Amino acid sequence: SQQGEEDPQALSIQEGENATMNCSYKTSINNLQWYRQNSGRGLVHLILIRSNEREKHSGRLRVTLDTSKKSSSLLITASRAADTASYFCATAPKGYNKLIFGAGTRLAVHP
Amino acid sequence: ETGVTQSPTHLIKTRGQQVTLRCSSQSGHNTVSWYQQALGQGPQFIFQYYREEENGRGNFPPRFSGLQFPNYSSELNVNALELDDSALYLCASSLETGRAETQYFGPGTRLLVL
Repeated sequence: SQQGEEDPQALSIQEGENATMNCSYKTSINNLQWYRQNSGRGLVHLILIRSNEREKHSGRLRVTLDTSKKSSSLLITASRAADTASYFCATAPKGYNKLIFGAGTRLAVHP
Repeated sequence: ETGVTQSPTHLIKTRGQQVTLRCSSQSGHNTVSWYQQALGQGPQFIFQYYREEENGRGNFPPRFSGLQFPNYSSELNVNALELDDSALYLCASSLETGRAETQYFGPGTRLLVL
């Protein structure tokens, strides 16, 4: 079973709009990571946020982490058609050396 | 590009057969993790190898086995293939720190079991 649950499952927006994806998880974590996947190929690491961090930025990406609510959000600002992909959150549970992925959010950005 | 390569890219097998998938890790990485991704789902952790030893395993039966070689490349072997084994198999390399840090994924091998 998967620990992370992304919301929404699918998101369709226009170029230039912002896209927000949410992730909830169940256990204590060392860190939470977001990955992107194009067309069922390999995953690309976007950003890692540690359990003692609350917010992190990378280019047009902003990630927040609320460990009290066991949730995270990924914001993509000024989206582009090239941002069309599936986005996954992955948690690194404390005491384990593996990542647990959610089912992903499928983002479609229309020109 | 992550520098992680996988072979083959696609594979078709029949139920009951055995398959071996290969992964070359990124230079400098000593850990390889394998994941199974069914269509429309997120990747599920199969196992991890660190310095040629299994270093953690997910909820997969023993017919899923692996190897890591001295150059840190790795193999995933699946015996007695079942239809539900059809999936994208991803390997990821990383530096072992005792916690799951950033993992660098290969492009995957798509396995179809008929």
